[in-house]
Amino acid sequence: AQSVAQPEDQVNVAEGNPLTVKCTYSVSGNPYLFWYVQYPNRGLQFLLKYITGDNLVKGSYGFEAEFNKSQTSFHLKKPSALVSDSALYFCAVRDQGGNFNKFYFGSGTKLNVKP
Amino acid sequence: KAGVTQTPRYLIKTRGQQVTLSCSPISGHRSVSWYQQTPGQGLQFLFEYFSETQRNKGNFPGRFSGRQFSNSRSEMNVSTLELGDSALYLCASYTVGVGGNEQFFGPGTRLTVL
Repeated sequence: AQSVAQPEDQVNVAEGNPLTVKCTYSVSGNPYLFWYVQYPNRGLQFLLKYITGDNLVKGSYGFEAEFNKSQTSFHLKKPSALVSDSALYFCAVRDQGGNFNKFYFGSGTKLNVKP
Repeated sequence: KAGVTQTPRYLIKTRGQQVTLSCSPISGHRSVSWYQQTPGQGLQFLFEYFSETQRNKGNFPGRFSGRQFSNSRSEMNVSTLELGDSALYLCASYTVGVGGNEQFFGPGTRLTVL
């Protein structure tokens, strides 16, 4: 069964420090992987995705993510956190095997960046 | 290009009532999905529509239903509202056929059931 796990409910980092938000996945075939961010009282905004190719994917607002097939992980990273990065982050996965395969979302990780 | 729009943005209802939420996808997107977001349960998939047909369904009771019109706009309906239905309801659209396409989300409808 397809699933996504975000093992940390909350991540706290100081402004200027690197940040990592973890995500592991399980799909029956090859995955499409996505990261979204949600600010309070807003919908989800797309950050980046992995489809195929280079394992390091760069996205919006200076975020990047590394696809690791052997560890079935797709961790979100940023070299230097900003206070404005504080938000709720969701990882999502979709099985490549069909047009109407569902998107599966993780439970979300709240990122707190302190000044 | 306009984004995904959802109306209304906020709703307050009482138990036992019914509610209809509306979603207009991005122009050209024919797939619309609905999600329920609550603090305790995260993002729960409700259903997905494509070309007026329901393609996927989540694990929700029959009180939750939806439909899609020929212009790809979608509505979801919740009948006999319960307190636990209070949530943010999100609609998302994407282009089917290229599997790597991401979903684009609307701002959501915040439903409060009293």
